[in-house]
Amino acid sequence: DGGITQSPKYLFRKEGQNVTLSCEQNLNHDAMYWYRQDPGQGLRLIYYSQIVNDFQKGDIAEGYSVSREKKESFPLTVTSAQKNPTAFYLCASSNRQLNTEAFFGQGTRLTVV
Amino acid sequence: AQSVTQLDSHVSVSEGTPVLLRCNYSSSYSPSLFWYVQHPNKGLQLLLKYTSAATLVKGINGFEAEFKKSETSFHLTKPSAHMSDAAEYFCVVSDRGYGGSQGNLIFGKGTKLSVKP
Repeated sequence: DGGITQSPKYLFRKEGQNVTLSCEQNLNHDAMYWYRQDPGQGLRLIYYSQIVNDFQKGDIAEGYSVSREKKESFPLTVTSAQKNPTAFYLCASSNRQLNTEAFFGQGTRLTVV
Repeated sequence: AQSVTQLDSHVSVSEGTPVLLRCNYSSSYSPSLFWYVQHPNKGLQLLLKYTSAATLVKGINGFEAEFKKSETSFHLTKPSAHMSDAAEYFCVVSDRGYGGSQGNLIFGKGTKLSVKP
């Protein structure tokens, strides 16, 4: 089945640690996105990538980093510089054409312990 | 700049009664508009989308939405609520591709729908 896979589903991080969230898609989409979701906040864009080896900062990129070495993969690293990382993280992908929707993974819930 | 306002953070209906979730948008261009649904601790699923074709858009699970340019609205409706409709719903506008933008989907803050038996 085609889709987007995020792993792990739950992740616990100690303060001061970096952690990496995985996002893989087999939809042959060029564009991939990372969103952060907090209660009552909607979804906020962290980073996006329209093509391999290129990515752009979104609205809340501070404390996060990404890479896009393969079309299928767009991992997100939450660094120790992110002061409030506890949140639900969603990865999405889409075609680059106008008017196309994004497809979402099932999310990773990150908790700082 | 594009923006989306969902007018109600929480809507509660009884099973079998109509559902209305309200959304207003602001856009400098002819927008693409979407409604997504999210069940707890899950990803988002597309319900329907408007892309400048018919102004009344039908989606999955009996939902539909009407694009009204004069009112800058894209309200989501369903004639009869089912218990399984209880979830959070997001109205989304896309600025992708306009004016050279390589941007993204802009989300409303969500409306939580509760369905009472």
